[in-house]
Amino acid sequence: ETGVTQSPTHLIKTRGQQVTLRCSSQSGHNTVSWYQQALGQGPQFIFQYYREEENGRGNFPPRFSGLQFPNYSSELNVNALELDDSALYLCASSLTTSNEQFFGPGTRLTVL
Amino acid sequence: GEDVEQSLFLSVREGDSSVINCTYTDSSSTYLYWYKQEPGAGLQLLTYIFSNMDMKQDQRLTVLLNKKDKHLSLRIADTQTGDSAIYFCAERPNYGGSQGNLIFGKGTKLSVKP
Repeated sequence: ETGVTQSPTHLIKTRGQQVTLRCSSQSGHNTVSWYQQALGQGPQFIFQYYREEENGRGNFPPRFSGLQFPNYSSELNVNALELDDSALYLCASSLTTSNEQFFGPGTRLTVL
Repeated sequence: GEDVEQSLFLSVREGDSSVINCTYTDSSSTYLYWYKQEPGAGLQLLTYIFSNMDMKQDQRLTVLLNKKDKHLSLRIADTQTGDSAIYFCAERPNYGGSQGNLIFGKGTKLSVKP
């Protein structure tokens, strides 16, 4: 059974640029959630995707958007990057019928 | 509002028990979780408890839940140096019958001294 994978591992962007982060869910998991973890903080929920549609969103602006594909993998897109977007971005996959979310290793985004 | 509070640091000696505490605010939360994060890594699910339970034991881990006080604790027996990490408490609110997503505390950094 393959766990949750994310790419890239690290990324450096400049303010105003756009970025796409990718996540492959654990085998058989149909739901993907994205979280932002700033340095020294706990993860904060960005949004969740189920059946290729957004299924819940946290307190993040519209420049944070996402996609889910038929194979349940997902992308997080962030437009017009700001310095405060620098964080570890975590993807978690789950089954809608399950109480467990399993996290990937994260993508470390640095915005200069 | 929704908020999860944890103490930021805990230091113990190898072989002792560690107790990490957490308080949460949303009484509708159906599940409460403990995750472990090692440096530079993602989150590892350690255990979780359903809100109608008082206690759950899983090998060296014991979770205690006081629903009246909205207090959750994680006890690690015979703490080892490999247990050094940041431990996150998380609640999963139940919004009108549908399961919301996880709300995390800021994490407790556990340091285990040999």
